[in-house]
Parts: sequence; structure tokens; C-alpha cells
Amino acid sequence: AQTVTQSQPEMSVQEAETVTLSCTYDTSESDYYLFWYKQPPSRQMILVIRQEAYKQQNATENRFSVNFQKAAKSFSLKISDSQLGDAAMYFCAYRSGGTGNQFYFGTGTSLTVIP
Amino acid sequence: GAGVSQTPSNKVTEKGKYVELRCDPISGHTALYWYRQSLGQGPEFLIYFQGTGAADDSGLPNDRFFAVRPEGSVSTLKIQRTERGDSAVYLCASSYRIAGGPTDTQYFGPGTRLTVL
Repeated sequence: AQTVTQSQPEMSVQEAETVTLSCTYDTSESDYYLFWYKQPPSRQMILVIRQEAYKQQNATENRFSVNFQKAAKSFSLKISDSQLGDAAMYFCAYRSGGTGNQFYFGTGTSLTVIP
Repeated sequence: GAGVSQTPSNKVTEKGKYVELRCDPISGHTALYWYRQSLGQGPEFLIYFQGTGAADDSGLPNDRFFAVRPEGSVSTLKIQRTERGDSAVYLCASSYRIAGGPTDTQYFGPGTRLTVL
């Protein structure tokens, strides 16, 4: 089974600064997708960004970008110009390509934004 | 509302009781998933439906857990003889499946927090 590891249980960042959340994964597959989800105290999992493994270009969504290193099996999330509303749990997730459907999640990183 | 909804938002029950958790997916999404999230952990896969049938139930922990989706829309997760270890947040997600291909991004509901006393 695939495993997803988030080695930072907690992170903090000053408002307007940049922070990077780490994620590594273990797989023998070549076709897969990676995701970052945000979970605020409301429990609602919100998609932040996704990356297809076959794409070499790193995905970007406004202030959120990833550093996808396929050979190293690393998928970090960079949040620029951090805002108070970014405070939440962040989960990295892996999904097989093809007809794969199951998501494998990491244990999450709790992000605090300091005003 | 256009999102995934789950009811109830919180459920408290006693050990040994039976509970049902409901999920209303996004309209048009044929794929539906159930996950369990224990305190301090990421969501763990339980079961996946494509239409009315359970395409993958490999994550169900034991035969006390069962889920149905009789009309291919709303799904109910059923837990018999609840145990204290079943206490967790149960998340539902839905996605659109590309014909003949993989499912698209999963969209999650707010979850049901189950507490077994």
C-alpha cells in the first residue's frame, strides 16, 4: 500500500510571510495524483491544489504552489503572503492513476498564522 | 446547497447501539466515498461506491460496518454494535467519474462526529 508522510505535526508563520509544508510518499507506481487539502476547525476538507505525476511543471493556485520532486517522491506546499484564514490542518494525499480511486492521506500539519 | 452534506453533524450513542450516518453527494457525482478520521490522524478510506454498487469495500474494518447507496445518490453508513473505538469523524466525499477513466477530484462533506460512550 502507498504511504504518505508529513513530518511536521505543527508549523507557524507570520502573517504575510511564506511557509513550506513537507510531504513525502512511497509508491512503486508511475501514474498517480497528489493533492493538498486544507481542513479548518469546521472539519470541511477543502482542496487546495492538485498535481498530476506525469506533469513536470509544478502546480500553482494563486498564493499556493507545490514543489514536486518525482524522483525524490517529495511534494511540498508553499504558501506565500500567508493570511489569517490560512490557519488550518493541511493534509497531503495520494491517489493512484488509471482507475484507482482510493486516497491515502498523511497525518497532517497544523498551521498557525501569527498576526 | 451545491456541496456534499452529511447528517447528523454530531452523534452520541452508547456502546452496543446501532447508528446510521447519511451522506448527500454533489448532484451528478456518480462516485461516493466514506472515510474515517480518528483524532490526530488523516482520513482513512472505508468504502467506495460507483453508482449503486460498492466498487471497493476493502477499508471497512469488520462486519459491523456496512454501507448502502440504493439509488446511486444518497448513501448511508451503518454501524452495528458500536464500540468505543468507533468514535471518530466520518467523512463522505463525492466525485465525478470520467467515462471509462479515473475519478476526478474528491469533494468532502463536513463530516459526522460519532462519539460512543
